[in-house]
Amino acid sequence: NAGVTQTPKFQVLKTGQSMTLQCAQDMNHEYMSWYRQDPGMGLRLIHYSVGAGITDQGEVPNGYNVSRSTTEDFPLRLLSAAPSQTSVYFCASSPGTIGGYTFGSGTRLTVV
Amino acid sequence: AQSVTQLGSHVSVSEGALVLLRCNYSSSVPPYLFWYVQYPNQGLQLLLKYTSAATLVKGINGFEAEFKKSETSFHLTKPSAHMSDAAEYFCAVNRMDSSYKLIFGSGTRLLVRP
Repeated sequence: NAGVTQTPKFQVLKTGQSMTLQCAQDMNHEYMSWYRQDPGMGLRLIHYSVGAGITDQGEVPNGYNVSRSTTEDFPLRLLSAAPSQTSVYFCASSPGTIGGYTFGSGTRLTVV
Repeated sequence: AQSVTQLGSHVSVSEGALVLLRCNYSSSVPPYLFWYVQYPNQGLQLLLKYTSAATLVKGINGFEAEFKKSETSFHLTKPSAHMSDAAEYFCAVNRMDSSYKLIFGSGTRLLVRP
């Protein structure tokens, strides 16, 4: 099994550009989340989903959109990139029981 | 609202010494608690989890943590540090409701001196 796959691994954007960070899992997990990691701030929840067709906002949702059309995929869209969105982004999935979350390897995004 | 606080952004120990990383939680309902480890330029890996079955939880790589309700703590320990333990460690709390959100502390970077 591949687990949680994130693409791309690295990306540089110009301010104002849009892009989509891809996340796919092959474990048939219902729960998926997007986090951003910034130095000294731990991981902050951007958006999460409790199943296909159901999404909700986390702690820092502004500037990001998500959708969940299938169980496997949970893409994160940056609508108009800003330097404040420079960060490392992690996608994670869980079966929703006591198993905890499985994380992808991350996408390092730089906005210039 | 649920939250976790990790005391100490950096902890430095000598190889062979006891490792103690502190985590306190805030939750109005019985929490599920987790410790994750992140090695440089990698994702997060689950070390151990507390899900109310036992207060002393053993994880991978010789780590363990004890849930203390009276102290609202879930500290991570390892009797003898190895150089390979150098990493960042995150405590997280999860509320077993319909959202199943995982909320993280700010992390503690463990440095191991030879």
